[in-house]
Amino acid sequence: NAGVTQTPKFRVLKTGQSMTLLCAQDMNHEYMYWYRQDPGMGLRLIHYSVGEGTTAKGEVPDGYNVSRLKKQNFLLGLESAAPSQTSVYFCASSWDSSGNTIYFGEGSWLTVV
Amino acid sequence: ELKVEQNPLFLSMQEGKNYTIYCNYSTTSDRLYWYRQDPGKSLESLFVLLSNGAVKQEGRLMASLDTKARLSTLHITAAVHDLSATYFCAVEETGTASKLTFGTGTRLQVTL
Repeated sequence: NAGVTQTPKFRVLKTGQSMTLLCAQDMNHEYMYWYRQDPGMGLRLIHYSVGEGTTAKGEVPDGYNVSRLKKQNFLLGLESAAPSQTSVYFCASSWDSSGNTIYFGEGSWLTVV
Repeated sequence: ELKVEQNPLFLSMQEGKNYTIYCNYSTTSDRLYWYRQDPGKSLESLFVLLSNGAVKQEGRLMASLDTKARLSTLHITAAVHDLSATYFCAVEETGTASKLTFGTGTRLQVTL
């Protein structure tokens, strides 16, 4: 059971570099989300998608872009990484918005130096 | 803007004791989620509470939701060391495509 898979799991970037985090889910879920978690805090929503080809901004979208070209994949891009983007990134997915369980990936640890 | 507050932020309790974690939120919501997170790990879904008065129990954990008071509780009965983790509540604002706003978490440490 793969569930929600994130790659890479660990990455160190230099300020100004770009990178893409990939989230893949095999549960045929419509809804997908990217959150970030900073030390001692809960998760904050970056962007989300309610279906293939759709994306929307969450609480903290600045500095990030996303794409959902295929239903099973949700990509999070950092065009020009900043130290403030050092965080743990979690992808999540759910079937719909009717209160079903939301499943989280294992997390991607990103450090920007 | 939806705000979610948990308390306490840190809880140290002895095995065998009971305690309650509180989750207050600021706007209308019918759905509340509880998650467990172990250090360096992902979030494990514990409960999904979908209506006023909902109560769910799994083992030593019981969660309840009072939408009128905008309050959820996670009650721990006869704590054991394996329950040591950080617990988050998360609130889904009505009609927002299951976007969750998380509390800051309660770090639970169960000691012998």
